[in-house]
Amino acid sequence: KNEVEQSPQNLTAQEGEFITINCSYSVGISALHWLQQHPGGGIVSLFMLSSGKKKHGRLIATINIQEKHSSLHITASHPRDSAVYICAVLTYRGGGADGLTFGKGTHLIIQP
Amino acid sequence: NAGVTQTPKFRVLKTGQSMTLLCAQDMNHEYMYWYRQDPGMGLRLIHYSVGEGTTAKGEVPDGYNVSRLKKQNFLLGLESAAPSQTSVYFCASSYPLGTASSYEQYFGPGTRLTVT
Repeated sequence: KNEVEQSPQNLTAQEGEFITINCSYSVGISALHWLQQHPGGGIVSLFMLSSGKKKHGRLIATINIQEKHSSLHITASHPRDSAVYICAVLTYRGGGADGLTFGKGTHLIIQP
Repeated sequence: NAGVTQTPKFRVLKTGQSMTLLCAQDMNHEYMYWYRQDPGMGLRLIHYSVGEGTTAKGEVPDGYNVSRLKKQNFLLGLESAAPSQTSVYFCASSYPLGTASSYEQYFGPGTRLTVT
């Protein structure tokens, strides 16, 4: 079983719809990242959070540490939001180092 | 600032050949990482470094070596390439956990490697 599970794997929606992507994890974490990977391949960090909720523009990320679950929401979705969204958890590897364990990503397509 | 850069962007190798991928960052980050991304697998950590002169193994280190001779550079080497190493390789850098800045990782643009 993967340590980080994302759902759905694929999502197609119409422009303007409210989008929710879910991430569940099975290990103790220090923090959780949401990343965006565009069709060109570049990866951009959207949020890092360890509790509560963060908002940036039309993007909202929430995390529930007790339930080991996080959600990424996109309001008023737009075709330019089409990308792969990746959840990654920060776990302590020992020796003073930290590392990310990644989900397999959610492929989002927003149709005009 | 250029952020995180990777050289080369594309490469095709024959089985058994060697090569080095270069990652450079200009953000004075202590931590640097090498990941590989394969279809259906998600990103996986190959090796990482918590500072100049130090390296450590990640999740999938076999067949790779790394060096961090300068703080801004992190090299990934393949001594004898195998078709199983065909992948897209991403480098990333960050501040250490607990510093004033967030632990956000900054990614390079990726290197697409094909081993035939």
